[in-house]
Amino acid sequence: DAGVIQSPRHEVTEMGQEVTLRCKPISGHDYLFWYRQTMMRGLELLIYFNNNVPIDDSGMPEDRFSAKMPNASFSTLKIQPSEPRDSAVYFCASSLGTLSSYEQYFGPGTRLTVT
Amino acid sequence: GNSVTQMEGPVTLSEEAFLTINCTYTATGYPSLFWYVQYPGEGLQLLLKATKADDKGSNKGFEATYRKETTSFHLEKGSVQVSDSAVYFCALNMDFQKLVFGTGTRLLVSP
Repeated sequence: DAGVIQSPRHEVTEMGQEVTLRCKPISGHDYLFWYRQTMMRGLELLIYFNNNVPIDDSGMPEDRFSAKMPNASFSTLKIQPSEPRDSAVYFCASSLGTLSSYEQYFGPGTRLTVT
Repeated sequence: GNSVTQMEGPVTLSEEAFLTINCTYTATGYPSLFWYVQYPGEGLQLLLKATKADDKGSNKGFEATYRKETTSFHLEKGSVQVSDSAVYFCALNMDFQKLVFGTGTRLLVSP
């Protein structure tokens, strides 16, 4: 099992540029989560999907952030335009939505640096 | 709202020492509780979980007991190793599938 795959692993961009982060969840999982991790704010849930449908996007910081899940095996998180305060590690996680298990499987993360 | 409070880190120990990382929670009902571990440069991994009061979760020598009366889920290990150095996150689940994480506690174990 390949686990959750994220790309790129590192991204350095200039302020004002568009950034797209990608995630491939574990096959068969029906929930997908996007998190952001910073020293100051810790681990924050940005948005999550169930069966490709966004369920809760209350953690998305502002309109510059958008997320899509066009199919069960792919999701993107886009920041446009990017700002230095967006610098963080972004994690994607997936899970199988059974009542007996809430375990989320995390990808390795994308370290984003906006200069 | 629902929240998790963890002890501030870093926790610095010598190899084979006893470990306790405190975690308390606030929730409107009866959540499931989790400990996740994050090794350097990696994503979080589930370490153990407990889904009801008095349950004990255990894995890799780590244990935590769900204490409803004290709303706590403290992580313990009898003898830590250098390889246990990581950041440990306590988390709860009330809203189906949505985890609430604590701020994380960094553990540093020296030989």
